[in-house]
Amino acid sequence: QVQLVQSGAEVKKPGSSVKVSCKASGGTFSSYAISWVRQAPGQGLEWMGGIIPIFGTANYAQKFQGRVTITADEFTSTAFMELSSLRSEDTAVYYCARAQVTMVRGVIITNWFDPWGQGTLVTVSS
Amino acid sequence: EIVLTQSPATLSLSPGERATLSCRASQSVSSYLAWYQQKPGQAPRLLIYDASNRATGIPARFSGSGSGTDFTLTISSLEPEDFAVYYCQQRSNWPLFGPGTKVDIK
Repeated sequence: QVQLVQSGAEVKKPGSSVKVSCKASGGTFSSYAISWVRQAPGQGLEWMGGIIPIFGTANYAQKFQGRVTITADEFTSTAFMELSSLRSEDTAVYYCARAQVTMVRGVIITNWFDPWGQGTLVTVSS
Repeated sequence: EIVLTQSPATLSLSPGERATLSCRASQSVSSYLAWYQQKPGQAPRLLIYDASNRATGIPARFSGSGSGTDFTLTISSLEPEDFAVYYCQQRSNWPLFGPGTKVDIK
C-alpha cells in the first residue's frame, strides 16, 4: 500500500522560493505518477502539475508554467515541488498525490488521485 | 476547457438521511469522473472513480452514477463521519476539480 509523507510547514518571504518534498513508501515509485495539488485557505483544489519518475519529465498547469518545477529522485523514492517568485496568494496547503494516469496519443491523462500526502502548509508573508 | 459545477453549495442534513450531490460538466467527460471527501484539516480521500466505482475501503453507502455531463454522488444514510466537503474531478491532461459541496449537520 502506497503511503506519501510530506515535509513540514514553511514560512517564506515574498519573492523567495520553497521546495516541498513527498516521500513514498510501498509500491514501485518509478512506475507511478506523482501530482501536486494546492488548496488556498478556505478554497478548493487546484492541480499544479505532475511527474512520472520513470519518464523523468514533468507536465505543468499553464498557470504555474515557469514558476514551478517538479522533480523526482528514484533512489530515495521522493518527489519534490519547487515554487519560485512566491507571493502572498501562494499561501496554501500543498498536497502530493499518486495519480492514476493513462497515456493517450502521447499525452499523459490523469484519471484520479489516490492516495494523498498529509499536506504541507506554505505561508508567504513579509 | 471543461468547467465543473457542483450543487448545492451546502447541504444541511441529519444523520441517517440520504444525501444527493450533483456535479455537472460543461461538456461531456464520458464516465471519467472522480469524487473525493475532505474533512477539516485532512487531505482529500478518493471515494469514487470512473463515475461509479468505489475506491478501496470505501463503505457501500457511498455510490456514484452518471455519464456525459451529469453525475451524482449518493450517500444512502449519513453517518456522523460523513459530514465533510465533497469534490468532483474530471479526467484530463489538466485535471480540474469542482468547487465542492459542503455537507453539514442540520
